[in-house]
Amino acid sequence: EVQLLESGGGLVQPGGSLRLSCAASGFTFSSYAMSWVRQAPGKGLEWVSAISGSGGSTYYADSVKGRFTISRDNSKNTLYLQMSSLRAEDTAVYYCAKAPLYCSGGSCYSYSNYYFDYWGQGTLVTVSS
Amino acid sequence: EIVLTQSPGTLSLSPGERATLSCRASQSVSSSYLAWYQQKPGQAPRLLIYGASSRAAGIPDRFSGSGSGTDFTLTISRLEPEDFAVYYCQQYGNSPLTFGGGTKVEIK
Repeated sequence: EVQLLESGGGLVQPGGSLRLSCAASGFTFSSYAMSWVRQAPGKGLEWVSAISGSGGSTYYADSVKGRFTISRDNSKNTLYLQMSSLRAEDTAVYYCAKAPLYCSGGSCYSYSNYYFDYWGQGTLVTVSS
Repeated sequence: EIVLTQSPGTLSLSPGERATLSCRASQSVSSSYLAWYQQKPGQAPRLLIYGASSRAAGIPDRFSGSGSGTDFTLTISRLEPEDFAVYYCQQYGNSPLTFGGGTKVEIK
């Protein structure tokens, strides 16, 4: 059974930093691209960042580029999001999400910019003084 | 960036009725790379549909997706009590990934 468990959320002051973690189990973690998606209170979903299975390719929304860093430790089956220079508008529940493989012609590929077949339960980040 | 506009914002229906949700893209979505998710209060989103019309594993066949280009539809043929929730569309044909603003399906 696929499980994604986020941790690391909390209250942080504007300008501060925080690192989120997502512990994965139930699948071969290194084979799959992963993403962070956030949801501000009472609002819709916003994709934040994605990383390839190997960790060699990373992608960011313009709203967080230069402030957030996505990474992964495949030996620990864990995804991370390092957040710095936090702003009030970064307040949200942060979900980690797994992208499925794209399979065609007998071969399967991991796409970083894809849809999400499994989501974690989320961790709340509140940026406030 | 592709902007997805979902309509209506809120749909008030009774159990057993048919729900039709719309997702319109600001430009054509490559290869019909559009997904639909269901989200209930306090829960993570759940994948319903991918590739515009393919049901995800374990999703009942009362859920169906259709459309191409810029216009996509999620249909729930007969609403069950557990279907009252917020529904989001997402495009993954172009970078960055984007989501629609959501449609809330509420009990009339």
